[in-house]
Amino acid sequence: DAGVTQSPTHLIKTRGQQVTLRCSPISGHKSVSWYQQVLGQGPQFIFQYYEKEERGRGNFPDRFSARQFPNYSSELNVNALLLGDSALYLCASSLAMGAYEQYFGPGTRLTVT
Amino acid sequence: GQSLEQPSEVTAVEGAIVQINCTYQTSGFYGLSWYQQHDGGAPTFLSYNALDGLEETGRFSSFLSRSDSYGYLLLQELQMKDSASYFCAVRDNSGGYQKVTFGTGTKLQVIP
Repeated sequence: DAGVTQSPTHLIKTRGQQVTLRCSPISGHKSVSWYQQVLGQGPQFIFQYYEKEERGRGNFPDRFSARQFPNYSSELNVNALLLGDSALYLCASSLAMGAYEQYFGPGTRLTVT
Repeated sequence: GQSLEQPSEVTAVEGAIVQINCTYQTSGFYGLSWYQQHDGGAPTFLSYNALDGLEETGRFSSFLSRSDSYGYLLLQELQMKDSASYFCAVRDNSGGYQKVTFGTGTKLQVIP
């Protein structure tokens, strides 16, 4: 079975631009969570989606938004990019909302210049 | 808010045992997870404790004391491939939302 996939792998954007990151969960998993990881730090929780609804939100500004599709894949959107948004964006899938075991994708490395 | 503390770096000898501690402050605590992340890789789930006590999975064990808001990851028979960053993570329910908060990570270096 395929693991969690994310696209693109790397991305370079300019300040003020918008970006969309994509994630496909493991087959059968209905929950997707998004994390931001800055070099040298732990992943920071952005959102959790389950059954296409937002079920969890971290302390990120409204420039960050996400959605989950009927096939359980998900997109993370970030508007008005700032230099500080440069990070590794990780997607994690789990069977259900309360499932404690999360499976992470390889991440999307976003660089904002 | 939530906060977790773990040592930033630990060095241990191949074949030895190492313990990585984690203390946390949170409300609506559900459980404590541990993840391993190699440089350039994605975090990999290692273990989860919801109740007090020790959970053992092969060479790795994890312990939780809810009353002390404390847990640890124990790695036995260390191998060179265990060199990685280890994160504790708390799952809690605050403000009506479930969320997972990761610690800043412990970089483990295994030396021959």
